[in-house]
Amino acid sequence: GENVEQHPSTLSVQEGDSAVIKCTYSDSASNYFPWYKQELGKRPQLIIDIRSNVGEKKDQRIAVTLNKTAKHFSLHITETQPEDSAVYFCAASKDRGSTLGRLYFGRGTQLTVWP
Amino acid sequence: DTGVSQDPRHKITKRGQNVTFRCDPISEHNRLYWYRQTLGQGPEFLTYFQNEAQLEKSRLLSDRFSAERPKGSFSTLEIQRTEQGDSAMYLCASSTGGANQPQHFGDGTRLSIL
Repeated sequence: GENVEQHPSTLSVQEGDSAVIKCTYSDSASNYFPWYKQELGKRPQLIIDIRSNVGEKKDQRIAVTLNKTAKHFSLHITETQPEDSAVYFCAASKDRGSTLGRLYFGRGTQLTVWP
Repeated sequence: DTGVSQDPRHKITKRGQNVTFRCDPISEHNRLYWYRQTLGQGPEFLTYFQNEAQLEKSRLLSDRFSAERPKGSFSTLEIQRTEQGDSAMYLCASSTGGANQPQHFGDGTRLSIL
């Protein structure tokens, strides 16, 4: 099955700096890559996603890049704010073959933004 | 549209007891997923439904676990003869259409086994 690895496990940045979280995946058939933000005690919230026919997607201060050849994708947060502090999860899934639709998650990155 | 709702939010029970959780998906979402999340880990897939049909079950879902979605709307997840290792957050998610549509999560049910 799919194996998603995520780095770093913790990340501390100063308010206003950028943060980058990286993930790799093992199944070349994976073609959908969402990112979730989970605050303590709350539900995972979808913040951005990218499909394999696109190399980059941006939504205000958040961007995701995908390198299909290398099988890795990254989350970029610019101008970080204290309210960005949370655990971020990357995930991967595919829409063909077995296990279609199920999300495989990384282990998460605890992002702390210091004022 | 109030999002995915799960009940109860917390469940504390003694080892060996049976527990049942409920998930109400976003209305008209035909796909419903169950995941389990333990501390410091990402959610792990348990099972999913397309309408009322259960299409896939993870190896994590032992024979003590059973899930239903009788009318293609809400779903229940039952754990029989609970064990310490069952302590976790049980998350439900729903989505429209086929695979690779955005999955929206509920707040989860936190299960604690005494």
